[in-house]
Amino acid sequence: QVQLVESGGGVVQPGRSLRLSCAASGFTFSRYAMYWVRQAPGKGLEWVAVIPYDGSNEYYGDSVKGRFTISRDNSNNTLYLQMHSLRGEDTAVYYCARSHLALYFDSWGQGTLVTVSS
Amino acid sequence: EIVMTQSPATLSVSPGESATLSCRASQSVTINLAWYQQKPGQAPRLLIYGAATRATGIPARFSGSGSGTEFTLTISSLQSEDFAVYYCQQYKEWPLLSFGPGTKVDIK
Repeated sequence: QVQLVESGGGVVQPGRSLRLSCAASGFTFSRYAMYWVRQAPGKGLEWVAVIPYDGSNEYYGDSVKGRFTISRDNSNNTLYLQMHSLRGEDTAVYYCARSHLALYFDSWGQGTLVTVSS
Repeated sequence: EIVMTQSPATLSVSPGESATLSCRASQSVTINLAWYQQKPGQAPRLLIYGAATRATGIPARFSGSGSGTEFTLTISSLQSEDFAVYYCQQYKEWPLLSFGPGTKVDIK
């Protein structure tokens, strides 16, 4: 079955960097667009970044543009999110999500918590 | 940017009753709308896409309807496992996807 397992979260000081990973299994990873979606504590869902199946392009939400970079390694079935210049408002659970035709999310990981605090 | 709103914010329902959740888009998304269920401490789960198509494994008591700017998720005969937060999401304006703020369905 489809499995998405995020890792790399933790507590980080404002202004620092962090890299999240998402290991995919149970499907042909290289055929799907992949997203990072986040959820601040007690809040709703916000899409962060998307990368097409072949890594040919990337798109970012306004709140992270210029600070975050999404990438993928199709040979190792892994999705990444490199986060720089972290702010308190980046504190959230970060989910990786498989996207059907890059439109809606048909599978989600369990999430990894990023806490930005001094 | 398409802004999604949901109402009510909280819906109190007794087990066995039906629940009707609303989602509105600030401009037409045709039928490019999905619904998700999220339970505490869990990731969201896809329920409905294309406004009315149930995702794989979703029980028939979940149904979606609507088009354009007005959408409804109906849960008939609520079971204990249905008490959760429900989000709508538009995908008409890709990649500028947007979610609604959610409706919490709790036990009356």
